Amino acid sequence: SQQGEEDPQALSIQEGENATMNCSYKTSINNLQWYRQNSGRGLVHLILIRSNEREKHSGRLRVTLDTSKKSSSLLITASRAADTASYFCATDRGNYQLIWGAGTKLIIKP
Amino acid sequence: DAGVIQSPRHEVTEMGQEVTLRCKPISGHNSLFWYRQTMMRGLELLIYFNNNVPIDDSGMPEDRFSAKMPNASFSTLKIQPSEPRDSAVYFCASSGDRSDYGYTFGSGTRLTVV
Repeated sequence: SQQGEEDPQALSIQEGENATMNCSYKTSINNLQWYRQNSGRGLVHLILIRSNEREKHSGRLRVTLDTSKKSSSLLITASRAADTASYFCATDRGNYQLIWGAGTKLIIKP
Repeated sequence: DAGVIQSPRHEVTEMGQEVTLRCKPISGHNSLFWYRQTMMRGLELLIYFNNNVPIDDSGMPEDRFSAKMPNASFSTLKIQPSEPRDSAVYFCASSGDRSDYGYTFGSGTRLTVV
């Protein structure tokens, strides 16, 4: 079941701009993960942030986690056309099952 | 490693036929997951295997669905008989001991039942 919620549902920006997506969840977690899915493809793991971390970077990606607000954000800086995809957050509560959000559809306009 | 390999990539079948989807996880990963993705319901976990043993199959829609993992390098998801509402993209994913490093997904099988 999907208990995470991403917003916005869709985001359209110009190439070169920054894109910010948010994720909220309901229960305490071990870690939170972000995935990208290109049209017609499988999901690709982007970054994992543990519950005791507040911020993490990977290339042009920056993820923040606020466990008091049960929310996370994914920032993609200097967006490129190739970043056009759907982005999903998933929470790990320490068992085997990830809880998935419904995704944010990101479109980068040239 | 070639990643998680799924076959076929696309499957079109008639209602009532048996469908078998196949998955080869990443070598060394001991957890395997089958997911179904649709526009209406998003990503749904169907079944989870750990060390080749089914741990949670509560997401399997009904008795028409069955999954096996005869060894660490192969799993199948079977639908018999198939129905139009089974049309979806089916993903296989694998991970190590914990999901600390995320899941690796296959490219999926797009199933269309007509």
